[in-house]
Amino acid sequence: SQQGEEDPQALSIQEGENATMNCSYKTSINNLQWYRQNSGRGLVHLILIRSNEREKHSGRLRVTLDTSKKSSSLLITASRAADTASYFCATSTGNQFYFGTGTSLTVIP
Amino acid sequence: NAGVTQTPKFRVLKTGQSMTLLCAQDMNHEYMYWYRQDPGMGLRLIHYSVGEGTTAKGEVPDGYNVSRLKKQNFLLGLESAAPSQTSVYFCASKGGNQPQHFGDGTRLSIL
Repeated sequence: SQQGEEDPQALSIQEGENATMNCSYKTSINNLQWYRQNSGRGLVHLILIRSNEREKHSGRLRVTLDTSKKSSSLLITASRAADTASYFCATSTGNQFYFGTGTSLTVIP
Repeated sequence: NAGVTQTPKFRVLKTGQSMTLLCAQDMNHEYMYWYRQDPGMGLRLIHYSVGEGTTAKGEVPDGYNVSRLKKQNFLLGLESAAPSQTSVYFCASKGGNQPQHFGDGTRLSIL
């Protein structure tokens, strides 16, 4: 399987704190994407980082990519209760996408 | 603008029964995907399509068939359902180099 892995599997923080989750993958990539999944819903795209980029920001999100270690991290700053969800990284090879196992984030009000 | 719509949302089958899951998108996307999501496994790609009339196998295609007769629809079929196919099934579509758009899933239980 080319499926990646997120770490930690679960994370619980207080509102206002920062949340960091990590993703490791197995193959060479063109880009890496992060998605959010609210309970009982489909995945929603958050941010894409290309293989030649090392860091990318979007609002309260910061993504880093280290292709030499085949790893990426997602930082959510100043977390809110509405950020409670599962977060997945995804890589692609050709037309196929490979998702990680996900990090379940709980933000306590 | 509905995006990606999956039908049905829930279904319970008996082992050996057959059924078809329907995915419809109204964004004129070329690419469509079927995934299954199991606890602790993330999403795994079953089959995908790069355009009308084309299909290809993903990571876990066994026991499933697909068809893309119309650009907006992507059908996933289970010919003889097995308990191991109990899962949540997600459809996604995308256009060009854009991110995937997902439906809200079909929860399928096979007894």
